[in-house]
Order: sequence, then C-alpha cells, then structure tokens
Amino acid sequence: ELKVEQNPLFLSMQEGKNYTIYCNYSTTSDRLYWYRQDPGKSLESLFVLLSNGAVKQEGRLMASLDTKARLSTLHITAAVHDLSATYFCAVPLSNSGYALNFGKGTSLLVTP
Amino acid sequence: DAGVTQSPTHLIKTRGQQVTLRCSPISGHKSVSWYQQVLGQGPQFIFQYYEKEERGRGNFPDRFSARQFPNYSSELNVNALLLGDSALYLCASSFRGSSYEQYFGPGTRLTVT
Repeated sequence: ELKVEQNPLFLSMQEGKNYTIYCNYSTTSDRLYWYRQDPGKSLESLFVLLSNGAVKQEGRLMASLDTKARLSTLHITAAVHDLSATYFCAVPLSNSGYALNFGKGTSLLVTP
Repeated sequence: DAGVTQSPTHLIKTRGQQVTLRCSPISGHKSVSWYQQVLGQGPQFIFQYYEKEERGRGNFPDRFSARQFPNYSSELNVNALLLGDSALYLCASSFRGSSYEQYFGPGTRLTVT
C-alpha cells in the first residue's frame, strides 16, 4: 500500500524565517505534486515534479524531488503571512494513471 | 477558459438519503477524478474516469458510484448516507499529457445530519 507521509503536520513560524517541509513516500514514483489549500477552499497546484533531481521555484517556495530516496522537500524562504495555508504533497497511485495519494498535509501559520 | 466547475456548492442531507454531485471538467480534459476530504485530512481518492470508462477506484463502499458522460462531465452518487460521509467532495480534471497534472474544482461541501 502506497503511503505518503509529511512532516511536520503543524508548523508555526515567524515572518522572515526559513523552513522545510518533508514528504516521504513508500513506493517508486517518478512524479510528485505539491498543492496549497486555504481554509474552506479547494486545492491550488504549486509544483509538478517529474523526474529525479527536479527542482522548481516560485517566489518564496522551492520544491525538489529525490526519487531514489523517495523524498520531496518544500522549502520556504523568508516566510510572509500570505504563505499561511495547508500544504499537501501527493504521489500517483500508479505511474500510468491520474489518481493521487495525498499526505495528511502540513498546516503552516506564519506570525509577525 | 473556465476551470473545473462543481455543483452544488453546499448540500445538507439526512442520514439514509441519497445525493448526486456534479462536475464539469476543463474544456479538452477527458479525465475526471473524485476525492473525499474529511476535515483536517488530505483528500482520499474515490474514482477516476477516462473517456467515460472507470479507470480506478479507491477504498470506498459500494454506496459510492460515479459515471462520466459523453461531454466528459461526471456525477458522483452516494446512497444511504452516513454521518461519516460529511466532507468536502472534490472533482479534478486532467489532460493526458506527460505530467498528468490534476486541476481541482471548488468542491461540494456535504453535511449529513
């Protein structure tokens, strides 16, 4: 059974600080997705990582994928309040399909 | 272009009733997936349809069923509702590209009382 584990599950950080969210998964996959969810809202796609060593950056967020270690990281640089949200990583249930297996999410709160 | 649309936005039902949720994918997308998100958890995969055929099914009871229409829109049906079915139901559409990226709709908030 494919398992996707995120840590930490809750993160409170001060504005201006850096931090990393980790996503481990239990079976081989060449794709990994990061989504953001604001309270009461749907999922917003942040990054699609398609190969080993893939690194993508958007603003203060940078995601990377190590398929050999079955690990992805989401790094937050100089956090601002607008980044407060829940972040999910997701891995395909099979490499040929669309269905995703999500982690439990990391609830991020950025405080002044 | 319009994104994924879902209806209704909110729904309140009583235990034992049946509910139908609707989803229209992004134009040109032929795959629709359904997810259930219970408060405080990540989305759980329910069904995936591609070209009107079921291509995947998650670990949900037979009370859950779905179908996809010739225009690629989809319905999710849940029978004999339980309190535990209360959740945000998300629909996602995909284009069969290399990334298989899924684009999520706004969701339907179902409350079972």
